[in-house]
Amino acid sequence: DAGVTQSPTHLIKTRGQQVTLRCSPKSGHDTVSWYQQALGQGPQFIFQYYEEEERQRGNFPDRFSGHQFPNYSSELNVNALLLGDSALYLCASSLVGQGGYEQYFGPGTRLTVT
Amino acid sequence: QKEVEQDPGPLSVPEGAIVSLNCTYSNSAFQYFMWYRQYSRKGPELLMYTYSSGNKEDGRFTAQVDKSSKYISLFIRDSQPSDSATYLCAMSGGMGGTSYGKLTFGQGTILTVHP
Repeated sequence: DAGVTQSPTHLIKTRGQQVTLRCSPKSGHDTVSWYQQALGQGPQFIFQYYEEEERQRGNFPDRFSGHQFPNYSSELNVNALLLGDSALYLCASSLVGQGGYEQYFGPGTRLTVT
Repeated sequence: QKEVEQDPGPLSVPEGAIVSLNCTYSNSAFQYFMWYRQYSRKGPELLMYTYSSGNKEDGRFTAQVDKSSKYISLFIRDSQPSDSATYLCAMSGGMGGTSYGKLTFGQGTILTVHP
């Protein structure tokens, strides 16, 4: 049973650039959530996608946007990168019929902004 | 004040000890309570989840929720060096609420179990 996969593993970008991160959910899951985890902190909720629509959003600026495809995979886009965007970006998948609280995480993409 | 508070530790115990990890929270809407384990440079791994108040046991792990005190705990019995990791508590609201479907995490507690 394939778990949550994310790509790329690591990424280095320059301030002001744009980045796209990708996620494939666990087999059978239909909901994808994105989190940002700064060093030494717990993950912070960015947004959640279900049926190709953003269903919930955390306290992140519009520079953070996403998309969900018909096969349930998802992308996270960040524009106008800031140094403070350096973090581990985690994707989690779940099944909406189970309340969405039982979320399984991928290994993350480590983004460094210089 | 953060919605979820968790002592970051670090916590160091000898092998075989009983470990107690705790979180407090302020949002009364939280109804689902999860514990995740995260190894260095890896994604969080779901250990256990509990709905509302009560206890849940799974092998060496026991999760407790006291909604009246807004306090949750994870106990690890017979701790092993392989349990060394960061432990994160997470919470979510019930259906229809603003926190439904999104997890709010604590800061994480760093645990080291030494042989």
